[in-house]
Amino acid sequence: EIVLTQSPATLSLSPGDRATLSCRASQSVTSYLAWYQQKPGQAPRLLIYGASNRATGIPPRFSGSGSGTDFTLTISSLEPDDFAVYYCQERSIWPRGAFGQGTKLEIK
Amino acid sequence: ELQLLESGGDLVQPGGSLRLSCAASGFTFSSYAMNWVRQAPGKGLEWVSAIGSHEGSPHYADSVEGRFTISRDNSRDTLYLQMNSLRVEDTAIYYCAKDISGYIYVWGQGTLVTVSS
Repeated sequence: EIVLTQSPATLSLSPGDRATLSCRASQSVTSYLAWYQQKPGQAPRLLIYGASNRATGIPPRFSGSGSGTDFTLTISSLEPDDFAVYYCQERSIWPRGAFGQGTKLEIK
Repeated sequence: ELQLLESGGDLVQPGGSLRLSCAASGFTFSSYAMNWVRQAPGKGLEWVSAIGSHEGSPHYADSVEGRFTISRDNSRDTLYLQMNSLRVEDTAIYYCAKDISGYIYVWGQGTLVTVSS
């Protein structure tokens, strides 16, 4: 069973800051990794798939990188609407797909 | 407009059963694999089950294997999740979600299942 560990659990930043979120897998998932954003009371939204591909309609300030076991979601310049919880999910053995425990991005 | 509308969530006693439905619209339902993902109150996301596009190949998380059954009716554009032997720890919002190219691309708004005596 693959386990995804996200860090930090909480990230406190200000609008305009650069955000760097990490997701580490217990074994290689090659590039089969996605990132989701979830706001309170809403369903998650796909941001990044295949480790580095932006989903339809996702602004370019969101970028993903990494392969194997270490992945990063970067938000280049935070906007007020970006403060939310972010989850990574691996899909290396489709359709099974473990999620990380989430990183809460909060306003400092 | 693409839409996934879940229904069937309710309060049920431990050991009870419930069937969730997800009505799809705005896309060719039969062409896509579908998933159920759940989220316990205040907790993270957990993949529960998936089914291939042509009513075959069901898959389950270990936590629900043998108790939950996923199915689909492509003639009705509807996904189902039959949940038996429910436990308190099954309490969650259950999301129906569409797979595209191996990733969960579109999510419904969810339906709440509460298992409590």
